[in-house]
Amino acid sequence: QVQLQESGPGLVSPSETLSLTCTVSGDSISNDFWSWIRQTPGKGLEWIGRVYSTWTPNYNPSLKNRVTISVDTSINQFSLNLSSVTAADTAVYYCARGYDRIDSWGQGTLVTVSS
Amino acid sequence: QSALTQPASVSGSPGQSITISCTGTSSDIGAYNYVSWYQQHPGKVPKLVVFEVTNRPSGVSNRFSGSKSGNTASLTISGLQAEDEADYYCSSYTSSTPVIFGGGTKLTVL
Repeated sequence: QVQLQESGPGLVSPSETLSLTCTVSGDSISNDFWSWIRQTPGKGLEWIGRVYSTWTPNYNPSLKNRVTISVDTSINQFSLNLSSVTAADTAVYYCARGYDRIDSWGQGTLVTVSS
Repeated sequence: QSALTQPASVSGSPGQSITISCTGTSSDIGAYNYVSWYQQHPGKVPKLVVFEVTNRPSGVSNRFSGSKSGNTASLTISGLQAEDEADYYCSSYTSSTPVIFGGGTKLTVL
């Protein structure tokens, strides 16, 4: 059974870069699409982007200029970088398997943007 | 691209059936049969309950069913149970994003 675990700082200063890593176990990261999704407190889900092996990642156009998703198949991890963050980027960030059909999610990590 | 449109809340009594709608456009729901539905209990991770409009993952109760007509998809829960009380989100593949979520619907079991 696949398991995903997010890791990274829980507090990021405004204008800095948010960086998170997702470690995947129970499945090869080369075999599927992997996504980052966020959920603002008390609000809905927002898809951030996806990556598949060596393919070019796809991003939500609303974040495209600030987001980078990369994958490291050697250690079965994929990562999220979101630059120039503001308070509006405060959210629970999930890593997940799939994109149109997400069947496995990490537990989520709360990232707060504050000075 | 704007989020898919869902009602903010729906409610029903135990044993009844309820339907949650999810309205998009001809660029997402209307164009593709890649609509999924997720159930999220408070403080928990979303759980996939329907994919590709009508399909249920293994282990999901057959009380959950999905459908689509034009630009609107629907999730129906029959034989409502207290444990069904949760937030429900739809998502669709789109020609641009490529994934978009609905704003979510809070289901209350009376």
